[in-house]
Amino acid sequence: DAGVIQSPRHEVTEMGQEVTLRCKPISGHDYLFWYRQTMMRGLELLIYFNNNVPIDDSGMPEDRFSAKMPNASFSTLKIQPSEPRDSAVYFCASSPRGVAVFQETQYFGPGTRLLVL
Amino acid sequence: QKEVEQNSGPLSVPEGAIASLNCTYSDRGSQSFFWYRQYSGKSPELIMFIYSNGDKEDGRFTAQLNKASQYVSLLIRDSQPSDSATYLCAQRNFNKFYFGSGTKLNVKP
Repeated sequence: DAGVIQSPRHEVTEMGQEVTLRCKPISGHDYLFWYRQTMMRGLELLIYFNNNVPIDDSGMPEDRFSAKMPNASFSTLKIQPSEPRDSAVYFCASSPRGVAVFQETQYFGPGTRLLVL
Repeated sequence: QKEVEQNSGPLSVPEGAIASLNCTYSDRGSQSFFWYRQYSGKSPELIMFIYSNGDKEDGRFTAQLNKASQYVSLLIRDSQPSDSATYLCAQRNFNKFYFGSGTKLNVKP
């Protein structure tokens, strides 16, 4: 399996521009998570989906952030408009649904390094 | 608020020594705990998980869980320079994972 795929790997944009991050989870995984990692705040959960349905978006920082999962193999995280404080590494992760769910871990993608100037 | 606390380090140990990484958590409802290793510029990768009180061993790694004290630890025996990384502790509560800020480990040759 190719693992979780994210694109782009690096993104440099100017303040006010729209940014779209993309993720392809591992085939067969029912859960998809979006995280943001910064030195100051560590790894923060933004939103997660189960079977393409958003379950918990309480970590989404502002209305400027939105996420979609139109099908089982694709998800996007959009920031519009972007601000310098959005600069971070954004990780997508997926997780299978096991019989003993609490034993299941997450598998992370390589991340997108976003820099907003 | 479900908090996971870790000492940020850096923790420096000589090659061949035992490295001990610690983590405390506040949510007694957490079902399982995970240790991830993250190399600089890379994504977190799972080392091991534990959900029962006691020790769990996997090669050079031993995870320890004490639910009464709300304490999780990771021991790395025979530390190698390649173990130098940031180690993230995470707790799982149903479908959400809560991560600590990580402990940076330096293994000196």
